[in-house]
Amino acid sequence: EAQVTQNPRYLITVTGKKLTVTCSQNMNHEYMSWYRQDPGLGLRQIYYSMNVEVTDKGDVPEGYKVSRKEKRNFPLILESPSPNQTSLYFCASSRRASGGRETQYFGPGTRLLVL
Amino acid sequence: AQSVSQHNHHVILSEAASLELGCNYSYGGTVNLFWYVQYPGQHLQLLLKYFSGDPLVKGIKGFEAEFIKSKFSFNLRKPSVQWSDTAEYFCAVIRYGGSQGNLIFGKGTKLSVKP
Repeated sequence: EAQVTQNPRYLITVTGKKLTVTCSQNMNHEYMSWYRQDPGLGLRQIYYSMNVEVTDKGDVPEGYKVSRKEKRNFPLILESPSPNQTSLYFCASSRRASGGRETQYFGPGTRLLVL
Repeated sequence: AQSVSQHNHHVILSEAASLELGCNYSYGGTVNLFWYVQYPGQHLQLLLKYFSGDPLVKGIKGFEAEFIKSKFSFNLRKPSVQWSDTAEYFCAVIRYGGSQGNLIFGKGTKLSVKP
């Protein structure tokens, strides 16, 4: 089954304790992205990757890191989490297509609480 | 900067009522347009998309959307809503020729359907 998976689905942590949220897709997609969703703000893009070893900042990259060493995986790293990073995080992937004519497929989400 | 506006934050309807959710975007060039739906506790799913051709687009579950270029709008409609349509709806835009890294989401409209 074609899917985007994220782990963990729920995470409670404390300020300053490094964490990684994994994202994996089995569709051989070139593009992968991370979003955060906050009430009243919709989805805001954190980072995206157009292919292996190619990443770029989205709208709200501060406090986050990513890496793309393999095509299928795109982990999100919070080196020193803070309470304002409490949010619902979504990973997404899509094929690379000309003109932006491609649909993004979303993972199930990771709900993070930073105390 | 390119932006997407969804006019209604929360819409409450009774079953069988008609639905129209507004979406306007600010980019003046050619765009690709999407509506995503997020059911409670679930990830985003694509409802429908518009790339070119007939401006009236039909999606899943009886939803449709009309692209009106002169109004920079892509409103979502459904003639008769059901309780199961209770969800949050997101409009998204990508500039034609842009990469998936340029997908911009609106802030979302929460739809509550009373049985």
